[in-house]
Amino acid sequence: KQEVTQIPAALSVPEGENLVLNCSFTDSAIYNLQWFRQDPGKGLTSLLLIQSSQREQTSGRLNASLDKSSGRSTLYIAASQPGDSATYLCAVPSRPPLKAAGNKLTFGGGTRVLVKP
Amino acid sequence: DGGITQSPKYLFRKEGQNVTLSCEQNLNHDAMYWYRQDPGQGLRLIYYSQIVNDFQKGDIAEGYSVSREKKESFPLTVTSAQKNPTAFYLCASSMGSWSENRQFFGPGTRLTVL
Repeated sequence: KQEVTQIPAALSVPEGENLVLNCSFTDSAIYNLQWFRQDPGKGLTSLLLIQSSQREQTSGRLNASLDKSSGRSTLYIAASQPGDSATYLCAVPSRPPLKAAGNKLTFGGGTRVLVKP
Repeated sequence: DGGITQSPKYLFRKEGQNVTLSCEQNLNHDAMYWYRQDPGQGLRLIYYSQIVNDFQKGDIAEGYSVSREKKESFPLTVTSAQKNPTAFYLCASSMGSWSENRQFFGPGTRLTVL
């Protein structure tokens, strides 16, 4: 059974510092990996989806890397801002894939980030 | 404006009551999902539906029920059999392809048992 872990559970950095968020998974045969952001009391916002054939995916100040062989993904946020304060979650789809549509995701517990002005 | 809506935002339930959480999407997505989130924890899958009139249990389906009579709607009923229903409930949807399956989430419903 796939297990997804995010360490640390919480992280505090001064504004301007680069953020490095870790995600590890036990079954390396994944199809893709998704990173989400969640603000307090809100739903999840999809940030990046990185395919198993990719090593990196970038969107603005965000960069996600994927190393399937070691079962790890890292989300980098450059030049952090107070507005980046949120909880960041990673998720991977289940195996085998669903027959008709969609996919079941297994989530990590999240890393709560605080960027101090 | 395309997206997923959930209502109500806050819901209070008395012991022994059934309550229904609404989820609607206008993204024309085939698959829809219900997750439960407890404080400081990740999301756990309750039920999912890949097509209309079909749905499957997730990891924690006991005490919950769903229906999928329309493509855009996937309501969740929390029954009195659910022993610890206080949580944040999130609905999501996605397109059909399993290889490119970005899930989009609604704003959530916070359920509290009085």
